[in-house]
Amino acid sequence: GAVVSQHPSWVICKSGTSVKIECRSLDFQATTMFWYRQFPKQSLMLMATSNEGSKATYEQGVEKDKFLINHASLTLSTLTVTSAHPEDSSFYICSASGPGQGAYNEKLFFGSGTQLSVL
Amino acid sequence: AQTVTQSQPEMSVQEAETVTLSCTYDTSESDYYLFWYKQPPSRQMILVIRQEAYKQQNATENRFSVNFQKAAKSFSLKISDSQLGDAAMYFCAYRGLDTGTASKLTFGTGTRLQVTL
Repeated sequence: GAVVSQHPSWVICKSGTSVKIECRSLDFQATTMFWYRQFPKQSLMLMATSNEGSKATYEQGVEKDKFLINHASLTLSTLTVTSAHPEDSSFYICSASGPGQGAYNEKLFFGSGTQLSVL
Repeated sequence: AQTVTQSQPEMSVQEAETVTLSCTYDTSESDYYLFWYKQPPSRQMILVIRQEAYKQQNATENRFSVNFQKAAKSFSLKISDSQLGDAAMYFCAYRGLDTGTASKLTFGTGTRLQVTL
């Protein structure tokens, strides 16, 4: 099956610094990637939808200037948490639309997630 | 907006027994997908089963099956012959097919399943 690689798997940073998380589709072209955030023992909350070559669409309440998303190629999307603060500490997961023939056959493949801890 | 509700925060089942996890959803769309995802302690999201709303037949994947009631907007997951490896967080998810919602997954709050000996 299709593989989505997410890196790093965990990162610790100081408050005020920026952190970049990468999401790569290894064996397929992902026209759309999604970024989710998951707090402990809670569900996944969609942060933004990223389409290759265009600006990301952010969900209501998500600060676009804080969570910068770049989808420069069909295999790579990045999420940069700018000026991170302790409240940004969370588990971030990406997913990508896999190969298929239109929306009816599309599947979503998930990365393994990134645990961000901001001190 | 679409919402997905899982009313059972935690469930427990004995090994080899059967357990059913509940999920209801709200939507005004007529065509959509419903999913059950498993999230073990590794936190990797694993697709368990998928149901297309236009199909009346309930989806089945080995020991996993669903009871899809479109009119009632209910989508429960039945796990038969439960195994220790089934212990995980289970999320019900909805994906619409309209332009504004296509490919976007909306997750329920999850049900933590414990499997006991």
